[in-house]
Amino acid sequence: GQQVMQIPQYQHVQEGEDFTTYCNSSTTLSNIQWYKQRPGGHPVFLIQLVKSGEVKKQKRLTFQFGEAKKNSSLHITATQTTDVGTYFCAVTGNQFYFGTGTSLTVIP
Amino acid sequence: DAGITQSPRHKVTETGTPVTLRCHQTENHRYMYWYRQDPGHGLRLIHYSYGVKDTDKGEVSDGYSVSRSKTEDFLLTLESATSSQTSVYFCAIKRDRNNSPLHFGNGTRLTVT
Repeated sequence: GQQVMQIPQYQHVQEGEDFTTYCNSSTTLSNIQWYKQRPGGHPVFLIQLVKSGEVKKQKRLTFQFGEAKKNSSLHITATQTTDVGTYFCAVTGNQFYFGTGTSLTVIP
Repeated sequence: DAGITQSPRHKVTETGTPVTLRCHQTENHRYMYWYRQDPGHGLRLIHYSYGVKDTDKGEVSDGYSVSRSKTEDFLLTLESATSSQTSVYFCAIKRDRNNSPLHFGNGTRLTVT
């Protein structure tokens, strides 16, 4: 299956600090999706990126798709305790392949 | 929500026993998926289905089989459970539009002792 590497695996931040997770692929992607999973919950879709260089924002979350469509990032500005969870990128098609996820802990 | 029900929610079974997990959807979408989630591995695709009796393997299909005899139900069977199959299993559906995201069920926590 298509491999997508996601880093870091874990991130602990003080509340109010910024957070970024990265996804990298060795091949060009048609699109990429991002999901969030709260502790004890199931993954929930956040957003999809399709175009080269695309940037989308959802409140304090900024999603970017690289110019070569081989990498993507999710940046959270001024983290809050409600941001706690694991963030996954996913490479889509008929088969969906997920990155290994970044587990975010926010320390109040 | 997407109308996905997984059953059972929790199961403990012994090594060597067969186990079947059920995923039921209420919206009649073609695509259904089974994933397992383990620490450090994220979500790994086991099998998926693109219609009744149409299934295909994912990246970790060994030891698992699936069945889709009705649009609404996608069954995952562990023929002879092993301790390495202790995991959280998620079912997901995809609506039939291009580039639709996945919608996940609440998961089944399976422990093989």
